[in-house]
Amino acid sequence: EVQLVQSGAEVKKPGESLKISCKDSGYSFTSYWIGWVRQMPGKGLEWMGIINPADSDTRYSPSFQGQVTISVDKSTSTAYLQWSSLEASDTAMYFCARRSMVTAAPLDDWGQGTLVTVSS
Amino acid sequence: DIQMTQSPSSLSASVGDRVTVTCRASQSIASYLNWYQQKPGKAPKLLIYAASNLQSGVPSRFSGTGSGTDFTLSITSLQPEDFATYYCQQTYSTPLTFGGGTKVEIK
Repeated sequence: EVQLVQSGAEVKKPGESLKISCKDSGYSFTSYWIGWVRQMPGKGLEWMGIINPADSDTRYSPSFQGQVTISVDKSTSTAYLQWSSLEASDTAMYFCARRSMVTAAPLDDWGQGTLVTVSS
Repeated sequence: DIQMTQSPSSLSASVGDRVTVTCRASQSIASYLNWYQQKPGKAPKLLIYAASNLQSGVPSRFSGTGSGTDFTLSITSLQPEDFATYYCQQTYSTPLTFGGGTKVEIK
């Protein structure tokens, strides 16, 4: 059974750094892309970027390029999303999701989400 | 970037109704269009991929049609568990943009 397990909720202050995680259990980690999706309170889904764990090839949405960093640790089958300096506007739920290597594949399995709250 | 526009943004319907949601892409995306269902406080769930293919385990009352720029999600005989928000997403090219969502509420 495919399962993506995300790290727990975080409460941070503006200017602080943060790294949240998404751990795979149940499939070959390097056979699927891992993407990240933001959902601000009461709003829709926003695609942030995606990484190929096999070679760390990473694609960012222009809206998030330079704002966040997506990475992986193959040894632990874990993907990460990190910020160097949080802002209040980063307050949101963040989901990881996997995507097959097949051309134009959907996001077919999702983590449970990590709630990030940034407040002074 | 490819822009995805869903309509309506919300609708009210009764159990047993047929519901249709539309999604329009700002340029042709062939059939690379997916539909997700999201319930409050939960992760999205894939319903339909490549415009018309039902994801495993999804009830057959859900269906999708379309190609190019215009797509439709239909739910026949709406069930209580179908009240949720539905999103389309194109996977033709990065960034893999989502539509704004359609909230299906109980009338």
